[in-house]
Amino acid sequence: GENVEQHPSTLSVQEGDSAVIKCTYSDSASNYFPWYKQELGKRPQLIIDIRSNVGEKKDQRIAVTLNKTAKHFSLHITETQPEDSAVYFCAASLTGGGNKLTFGTGTQLKVEL
Amino acid sequence: NAGVTQTPKFQVLKTGQSMTLQCAQDMNHEYMSWYRQDPGMGLRLIHYSVGAGITDQGEVPNGYNVSRSTTEDFPLRLLSAAPSQTSVYFCASSKQGTNTEAFFGQGTRLTVV
Repeated sequence: GENVEQHPSTLSVQEGDSAVIKCTYSDSASNYFPWYKQELGKRPQLIIDIRSNVGEKKDQRIAVTLNKTAKHFSLHITETQPEDSAVYFCAASLTGGGNKLTFGTGTQLKVEL
Repeated sequence: NAGVTQTPKFQVLKTGQSMTLQCAQDMNHEYMSWYRQDPGMGLRLIHYSVGAGITDQGEVPNGYNVSRSTTEDFPLRLLSAAPSQTSVYFCASSKQGTNTEAFFGQGTRLTVV
């Protein structure tokens, strides 16, 4: 089955700096890669996703890049704010959609004032 | 529009007891899934369904049963609870097709003593 590795497990940045979280996946047939943000005690919520036929996608301060050859994808958050502090999960899917997701182990992002 | 609703929010069970975690969605989504979330391990797929009457196993199905008699409901049954099943359980739903977001319920925190 698919295996997704995520690094780092914790990340601390100063407000206004950029944060980068990286994931690798094992199955080259995976074709959908969402990123979820989870605040303490809350449900995971989608912040951005990318399909395998796209190399980069951006939404305001958040961007995701995908390298199919290397089988890795990354989340970039620019101009970080305290409200960005949360756990971020990457995931991969073989079905092209939100069904049957394989998740990474999560990154605890802390944005310090 | 309630989205994905899980009940109960919290539950304490004794070892050997059985119970059902309820999940309902009102978005007419074809796909529904159950995940468990444990510290440091991300979310892992337990069971999933692609439509009424159709279910299949995910990564960690042992000790759990599911059924899908209607599009809206996808209950998860613990047959004989064990301490290893102490976890936070999330139900998710998504539309059939590609690039479809998975929507999560608010989670059920289960403790087995």
